[in-house]
Amino acid sequence: DTEVTQTPKHLVMGMTNKKSLKCEQHMGHRAMYWYKQKAKKPPELMFVYSYEKLSINESVPSRFSPECPNSSLLNLHLHALQPEDSALYLCASSQDLRSYNSPLHFGNGTRLTVT
Amino acid sequence: QKEVEQNSGPLSVPEGAIASLNCTYSDRGSQSFFWYRQYSGKSPELIMSIYSNGDKEDGRFTAQLNKASQYVSLLIRDSQPSDSATYLCAVTGANNLFFGTGTRLTVIP
Repeated sequence: DTEVTQTPKHLVMGMTNKKSLKCEQHMGHRAMYWYKQKAKKPPELMFVYSYEKLSINESVPSRFSPECPNSSLLNLHLHALQPEDSALYLCASSQDLRSYNSPLHFGNGTRLTVT
Repeated sequence: QKEVEQNSGPLSVPEGAIASLNCTYSDRGSQSFFWYRQYSGKSPELIMSIYSNGDKEDGRFTAQLNKASQYVSLLIRDSQPSDSATYLCAVTGANNLFFGTGTRLTVIP
């Protein structure tokens, strides 16, 4: 069982839809992340939230927007996505962004398909 | 030059053999090194972390780090078919964690 919980597990959405991916960590960690992973590729960092500060990978388009209601939750809002955004979206947490020995713990992922 | 490089494989070993997975990295300042296992369609799972030069053993897994050569490896002893997966090497950089492209391992029964 994972201590980082993501919902939904699967999502199919049209290009005009608005949807949200949810992530909750139960580990007391201070940093949370969203990654995007395409088939046979490594995870790509999208956003990092730590110490009430959001860091953004500048290559991520604005149709993705993160929201952090509290230190245990990190949601990802999706709007007007494109078919090429279909991928596995991974949420992760780590004890502390500034601690060099703090590994990432991943949730089970959301498989997103944009039609 | 990529921050982290791995052979993409596939690497095939017979059941019971030792599987050796290798990773090189470019940032000499990197301090933390991780190996993740990822089954097809699943999320990465942390299996080993190593922070200092030398070997670190955990069950059938041994991680080896050589900072002078900027090289980290993972050995899997007595390989099992359930070890068949993609293994991702990850290395810390400046406020980021860099992943290699992964090595696909197949253990043949």
